[in-house]
Amino acid sequence: KNEVEQSPQNLTAQEGEFITINCSYSVGISALHWLQQHPGGGIVSLFMLSSGKKKHGRLIATINIQEKHSSLHITASHPRDSAVYICAVNTGTASKLTFGTGTRLQVTL
Amino acid sequence: NAGVMQNPRHLVRRRGQEARLRCSPMKGHSHVYWYRQLPEEGLKFMVYLQKENIIDESGMPKERFSAEFPKEGPSILRIQQVVRGDSAAYFCASSPRNFGGNTIYFGEGSWLTVV
Repeated sequence: KNEVEQSPQNLTAQEGEFITINCSYSVGISALHWLQQHPGGGIVSLFMLSSGKKKHGRLIATINIQEKHSSLHITASHPRDSAVYICAVNTGTASKLTFGTGTRLQVTL
Repeated sequence: NAGVMQNPRHLVRRRGQEARLRCSPMKGHSHVYWYRQLPEEGLKFMVYLQKENIIDESGMPKERFSAEFPKEGPSILRIQQVVRGDSAAYFCASSPRNFGGNTIYFGEGSWLTVV
């Protein structure tokens, strides 16, 4: 079993829909990151969380440390949100990130 | 303030050749990390370096792979005698400190294809 599990693996939504991507982890962490990767492109850090909730534009990230679970929400989704969203955690050794396998999101018109 | 710069973006090598991937961290960042993304797989940690020091190389294959971050110049990930299985995207990231509590910044990646 992977230390970081994401669901769903693939997600198709229509423009304007509210989207939730989930991340569960099985190890103790110091921080959790949500990353965005566009096809053939680089990786952008969206959020870093150690507790609570963060919001940036239409993106909201929450984390529940007790339940070892985080969610990434996208409100009023748009085709330009189409990308792979990756959850990653800092475990005991802060230098390493352990990654989920990603959620491929496609938003259609 | 330029971001993390990686080059080349795309590199094609024949089996047995050497591949050198370069990473210049963001200005003011002294911590560099290399990650590998194999086709249809998730990202995996390879190595963590500070200037002139390898801090953690537990994710590096034992043979053919090496990394350095000299006092001057970019960090280099070197793959000797490449094989088809080395074909992957290699991402560099940097942070101002050991990023236990800091945002990490990624480069655009270097795509290596071994033919």
